[in-house]
Amino acid sequence: QQQVKQSPQSLIVQKGGISIINCAYENTAFDYFPWYQQFPGKGPALLIAIRPDVSEKKEGRFTISFNKSAKQFSLHIMDSQPGDSATYFCAAQRGSARQLTFGSGTQLTVLP
Amino acid sequence: ETGVTQTPRHLVMGMTNKKSLKCEQHLGHNAMYWYKQSAKKPLELMFVYNFKEQTENNSVPSRFSPECPNSSHLFLHLHTLQPEDSALYLCASSQVLAGDNEQFFGPGTRLTVL
Repeated sequence: QQQVKQSPQSLIVQKGGISIINCAYENTAFDYFPWYQQFPGKGPALLIAIRPDVSEKKEGRFTISFNKSAKQFSLHIMDSQPGDSATYFCAAQRGSARQLTFGSGTQLTVLP
Repeated sequence: ETGVTQTPRHLVMGMTNKKSLKCEQHLGHNAMYWYKQSAKKPLELMFVYNFKEQTENNSVPSRFSPECPNSSHLFLHLHTLQPEDSALYLCASSQVLAGDNEQFFGPGTRLTVL
């Protein structure tokens, strides 16, 4: 059972545009929602994260929007740049062991 | 070396071979993880070690055998693998706290099973 569903699978955006990636979760025990960014040949790296008591978090051009009642959260990349081209994974964390459950990933391509 | 390192970066093995993947973290963390990453699928958590003790084994076949000799090193021993085991194997580490748990990933080992 996939507990975190991510869409779209791939996304192509023009330079300067807004990239939006959506995730939905099922388990209400999740209490921390990070986004990871992965470049080819590299492991995923934490980009930005949010707790469910906050509806929005912004760091530079990256914003997470969180809707607790709908059990959905999304990543917005403003003024997308070719250097943002990467695979993005949403994730959800729970429990004393702080295990991460990942979405299936979105391959973002920003055209110059 | 900094962060999380993994060796080898690429590995090709036959189904009857025995090989090992190595992970080392230079961050002073107390937890280490093995993940399997297959194309267009979520990262699959395989094993979790907390203070060198295995705390999670997510129904991983016995042909994968983890070893954590100390808090800085993690191995994944492989034997009699199947072609469907071909994937990117990622190691991660974290400092497990009561709150957030940022996991730091290594670059992975690209495994091909012939």
